[in-house]
Amino acid sequence: DGGITQSPKYLFRKEGQNVTLSCEQNLNHDAMYWYRQDPGQGLRLIYYSQIVNDFQKGDIAEGYSVSREKKESFPLTVTSAQKNPTAFYLCASTSDFPSNQPQHFGDGTRLSIL
Amino acid sequence: LAKTTQPISMDSYEGQEVNITCSHNNIATNDYITWYQQFPSQGPRFIIQGYKTKVTNEVASLFIPADRKSSTLSLPRVSLSDTAVYYCSSRSYNTDKLIFGTGTRLQVFP
Repeated sequence: DGGITQSPKYLFRKEGQNVTLSCEQNLNHDAMYWYRQDPGQGLRLIYYSQIVNDFQKGDIAEGYSVSREKKESFPLTVTSAQKNPTAFYLCASTSDFPSNQPQHFGDGTRLSIL
Repeated sequence: LAKTTQPISMDSYEGQEVNITCSHNNIATNDYITWYQQFPSQGPRFIIQGYKTKVTNEVASLFIPADRKSSTLSLPRVSLSDTAVYYCSSRSYNTDKLIFGTGTRLQVFP
């Protein structure tokens, strides 16, 4: 069954610590995305990748970093520079970019500060 | 600045039809309007997509007027399991990135 797998489902970060959220897809999609979701604010784009070894900043990239070394993987690192990291993080993919096809989403990672 | 606006919340009762409208200012001329459904602690799931006029599938209908500056998601005869947050999305004419609305929280009562 094709889809997007995000892990872990819950993650806790200590002050000054970097944490990495995993996103893996087996849909053979070229484009992948990371969104942050806060209550009442919808989805905000953090980073996106159109193809392997390429990525661009979204609307709220400060304090985050990504890599795209493999087509199926697009990990997101929340760095200590991100002062308000508590949120629900969603990974998505589309077959290409830009795409009129609907985005496929994972089931998210909820990040909290200890 | 491109903006996608939708009501924050709506209430309904089982068996009623629910219509949720989204406004898409500055929508790209060649882009589709897409609606998603999201349950707590899950990712959004695709419901329906359209470019203009009316689209219908097994779960919903989507109405898009000729100017495409708004869209209306119609859910016929809602049930308790339709309680969720609904998002509209479209692409602005001057960017390749999708813009999501802030979501409409639909509560269905028995």
